[in-house]
Order: sequence, then C-alpha cells, then structure tokens
Amino acid sequence: DGGITQSPKYLFRKEGQNVTLSCEQNLNHDAMYWYRQDPGQGLRLIYYSQIVNDFQKGDIAEGYSVSREKKESFPLTVTSAQKNPTAFYLCASSTRLAGFRTDTQYFGPGTRLTVL
Amino acid sequence: AQRVTQPEKLLSVFKGAPVELKCNYSYSGSPELFWYVQYSRQRLQLLLRHISRESIKGFTADLNKGETSFHLKKPFAQEEDSAMYYCAPQTGANNLFFGTGTRLTVIP
Repeated sequence: DGGITQSPKYLFRKEGQNVTLSCEQNLNHDAMYWYRQDPGQGLRLIYYSQIVNDFQKGDIAEGYSVSREKKESFPLTVTSAQKNPTAFYLCASSTRLAGFRTDTQYFGPGTRLTVL
Repeated sequence: AQRVTQPEKLLSVFKGAPVELKCNYSYSGSPELFWYVQYSRQRLQLLLRHISRESIKGFTADLNKGETSFHLKKPFAQEEDSAMYYCAPQTGANNLFFGTGTRLTVIP
C-alpha cells in the first residue's frame, strides 16, 4: 500500500487560508490525478497531470491549484477562493497510455479537509 | 448531463444470493469501463475492467453497447463482498467519470 501516499490524513483550516495537500507516488507513473469525494456525489476530477510540468483542469478546478515539478509529486492547494472546501480528497496515479486511453488508477488513502 | 448512473445507492442481499450492481453510461464512442471497490478501512482499488474480460473475486461485468450498460454481477454473494462499488466509464485523461457509488451489504 505504500505505492501512493497522501498527507496529512486529517487537515483543519480556517476560512480565508490556503492549504496544500501532499501526494507522492513511487510507482513510476506518469499520470496523476486529484479527486474530490462528497457524500452522494461520487468522485469528481479536480486536476490531472499526464507528464511532469504539465497539468490540466478537471470538472471542478475553480478554487484549486496544482504543480507537477517532479514525477513523484503532485501537490494540491486549496485556495481561499474555493467556496466549499470541506471534503475528502483523493489522489491517484496511473501509467499513461497512447491516445485517449486511460489505465488502471491507483489511489492514495485520502485527506479529509475541514474548514472551521 | 449525467454521464454515468448507478441507480441504487444502497443494495442489500443475503449471503449466497445473486447480486447485480447496475451501471448505465452516456457517451458517444467507446469508453473504457472500470469497476472500482472500496472495502471498509481500505483505499479505493480496481475490481475489474472490461478490456481484461476477467472474473475477479467471482464478479463479472458485461458491456451492453445497445443499452450502454456495464452491470456488475456475482452469482453467489459473500459477506466479504460488502463494500462501496463505483462504476467508472472513461474516455481519456480529460474524461474520467465515476458514478455516485452503490453500497452493497451482504446479510449473513
């Protein structure tokens, strides 16, 4: 289970503060993803990156930012512009396939963010 | 527009009974189809994918292109199958969609 890690497990933030969630993988995967999981809504894609120094917005990118300076790392910053940041955040990684195909995603244990 | 539908949020079956978790999707083209599972206190993980045409833990999933469905089935449910199941039709890195999930409870 150590292939993809997220820290911290629980995070508390005051309104108006930015906070960064960590995601690291040692699976040598090119592609990494951030999802948000809310009760009754499944997983929704925030950002994804298919290669170092490149990333794309997902369905709900507003109020979030990411960076991909290293293959192993894909941190997510929840900014004060995110109107409803309290949620469970999941990071995933996968190999990158040619064309528009996707491969199996491997998920981290998640970070639960609570805004006080 | 909703791209993937799992109509049952909760599903309970008795041990040994057949189980079917429904998934319908709306895409043009041919998505890759996955089922992911989350057991209690474990992380989300792949259960099976259509392209592999495997049976994992007794589960199978048949793609019905006419109905655009990818229902997950098992002939005899076991207690250890109790978990949250997500259907995930995906057409590329920019089109990764997960259903809202079905929580399966197998009653002893």
